[in-house]
Amino acid sequence: QVQLVESGGSVVQPGRSLRLSCAASGFTFRNYAMHWVRQAPGKGLEWVAVVWYNGLTKYYADSVQGRFTISRDNSKNTMDVQMNSLRPEDTAVYYCARGTQRGGGTLEDWGQGTLVTVSS
Amino acid sequence: IQMTQSPSSLSASVGDRVTITCRASQDIGNYLGWYQHKPGRAPKLLIYAASSLQSGVPSRFSGSGSGTDFALTISSLQPEDFASYYCLQDYNYPRTFGQGTKVEIK
Repeated sequence: QVQLVESGGSVVQPGRSLRLSCAASGFTFRNYAMHWVRQAPGKGLEWVAVVWYNGLTKYYADSVQGRFTISRDNSKNTMDVQMNSLRPEDTAVYYCARGTQRGGGTLEDWGQGTLVTVSS
Repeated sequence: IQMTQSPSSLSASVGDRVTITCRASQDIGNYLGWYQHKPGRAPKLLIYAASSLQSGVPSRFSGSGSGTDFALTISSLQPEDFASYYCLQDYNYPRTFGQGTKVEIK
C-alpha cells in the first residue's frame, strides 16, 4: 500500500534553514504530483507547495514563495522541501501528500507529518 | 481562490445528520475535495470531485454541489466521526483549504 514518511523536523531558530524529506513507497512515484501541507498549532490545514511528476513545474503558497524550494528525485522516490529564512509562523506539522494526477488533482494519500518548531 | 467553510464548529449527537458547507470565491466546477482530520493522524480523503466517495469511506458520507457552493453531509453521525473536516479546491494553484469545521460530541 501507499506509504509516505516525512523526516527532518526539528527546533530551529528564526532566520535559519531546514530541509524536510518525504520517502514514498507502494506506488509509481514518477507518475504523480507531490505536495506539502502544514498545520500550525491550533490552526487549520494550509497548502504549502507542489512539484509535478517530472519535477519541472512547481507552485507555492504566497506565504512561503521565495523562501521555500520544493524538489523531487524520481530515482530515489523522495521529495524534499528546503525551507530558508524561517519565521515563527512557519511552526507547524508538515505533511507530504500524493496527488491524484501528474500535475493536478486532489490529495489522496498523506504521511503522518513531521514537526517544525521555529523559536529562539 | 478563497474557500469559506461553515460552521467553524458544531456539537452533535451520535445518530444526528450533519451538514458542513463550503463556498468558493469563484466558479470551481466540481474541483473540490473533503477531508477528515483527527489529532495526531494523517488527514483522510473522504470525497473527491465534489460528490465521488473515496474507496473505503463509509456511505454515510456524501458530497454535493458545483460551481461555488458545496456541502458535506454525514447522514448518521458515528462515534468515530468526531474530528475536524476541511474542504480543498483543486481547480487551480495555489490550492486552498477551507478554515475547517470541528465536529464535537454534544
